[in-house]
Amino acid sequence: DTAVSQTPKYLVTQMGNDKSIKCEQNLGHDTMYWYKQDSKKFLKIMFSYNNKELIINETVPNRFSPKSPDKAHLNLHINSLELGDSAVYFCASSQERQSPLHFGNGTRLTVT
Amino acid sequence: GNSVTQMEGPVTLSEEAFLTINCTYTATGYPSLFWYVQYPGEGLQLLLKATKADDKGSNKGFEATYRKETTSFHLEKGSVQVSDSAVYFCALSFTGRRALTFGSGTRLQVQP
Repeated sequence: DTAVSQTPKYLVTQMGNDKSIKCEQNLGHDTMYWYKQDSKKFLKIMFSYNNKELIINETVPNRFSPKSPDKAHLNLHINSLELGDSAVYFCASSQERQSPLHFGNGTRLTVT
Repeated sequence: GNSVTQMEGPVTLSEEAFLTINCTYTATGYPSLFWYVQYPGEGLQLLLKATKADDKGSNKGFEATYRKETTSFHLEKGSVQVSDSAVYFCALSFTGRRALTFGSGTRLQVQP
């Protein structure tokens, strides 16, 4: 029944590694997002896809690459992880021209 | 650009106290306004929303009124409960750019 699900919930890795976070939504929404929440709880949009097409690409290092194999999935791949990448990453979805966003429970990434 | 400013937290209240969390925004045009709530270890959930001036959003005893003249959307609740302890985010969005712009969040702690 989970509407927006992310895996893994926790991810601990070393600097320089490459990792992926997966997101799936079963709400039939056509738009998906990745947000980054820093240690002070500030949320910032990273990417947004609409029907598998990238529509928002904020100022994010090239090491971050989103991939949307279909409109129900939006994965986030991160290359050469850095300490500053430690944060909670939230996936969300919505239906075109409508709100609200539905969020997953987040993936806590810790880079050591 | 668009931005949302919330009062700094944490806000600490006793059970049954009155709650106000201030939110003001800067935007070109007339955005839709939202309050989201994040309980510990979870993703964000929509609490209430308002799509035009003078609209009042309400849910679970919480209310907020869209005030165009003061560009504000303050969150209020008449009697808080311990279970209301969470982080509250004010946000705005425009049709056509569906990503939300969030405030920095305000942590509410309700003591029994």
